[in-house]
Amino acid sequence: DQQVKQNSPSLSVQEGRISILNCDYTNSMFDYFLWYKKYPAEGPTFLISISSIKDKNEDGRFTVFLNKSAKHLSLHIVPSQPGDSAVYFCAASDRRAGNMLTFGGGTRLMVKP
Amino acid sequence: EAGVAQSPRYKIIEKRQSVAFWCNPISGHATLYWYQQILGQGPKLLIQFQNNGVVDDSQLPKDRFSAERLKGVDSTLKIQPAKLEDSAVYLCASSLVGGLDGYTFGSGTRLTVV
Repeated sequence: DQQVKQNSPSLSVQEGRISILNCDYTNSMFDYFLWYKKYPAEGPTFLISISSIKDKNEDGRFTVFLNKSAKHLSLHIVPSQPGDSAVYFCAASDRRAGNMLTFGGGTRLMVKP
Repeated sequence: EAGVAQSPRYKIIEKRQSVAFWCNPISGHATLYWYQQILGQGPKLLIQFQNNGVVDDSQLPKDRFSAERLKGVDSTLKIQPAKLEDSAVYLCASSLVGGLDGYTFGSGTRLTVV
């Protein structure tokens, strides 16, 4: 039973355009959501997060949107750059139950010059 | 600030052999996690320590996997005996107590069981 799902295994975008990565979850107890970026042979690195009391969080080129009623979040990257090419993982946590993260399966983003 | 250190980076073993991985978390991070990432999937939590105590090991296959964090700092994860399906990247992460701030992953150990 996958509690966090990323239904698109890959996404290809032209440099300068917007990248939109999607994530769905089923556990209504999740109250904190994170996006991680992973390059080959490296561990995931934290990108941006959002608490369930918010519906948007922005950090430079990265914006995360949360739709609690739909149990859906998305990561927008604008403008996309070739260096953004990586695997992106969505993760969720029920902070009342501890700090374990439940991850989605990842989306491979390719930004073409 | 030094990151989460893991060794070895790569390991190839035959099935039924044993293997151990080592992790040194960020200084001051009381919470340490081991995750297993099978190719094409997201990381899955195996065990969580707070200092040297186990917080959650519900997803650790205890018949073959064990982990310890004796002095509340570095940690080892062992598999004995290994199976083919244990082939994965084993990621260690650490964080400050009580929060997700600074939740940092190491580069992982890629295990191949043949």
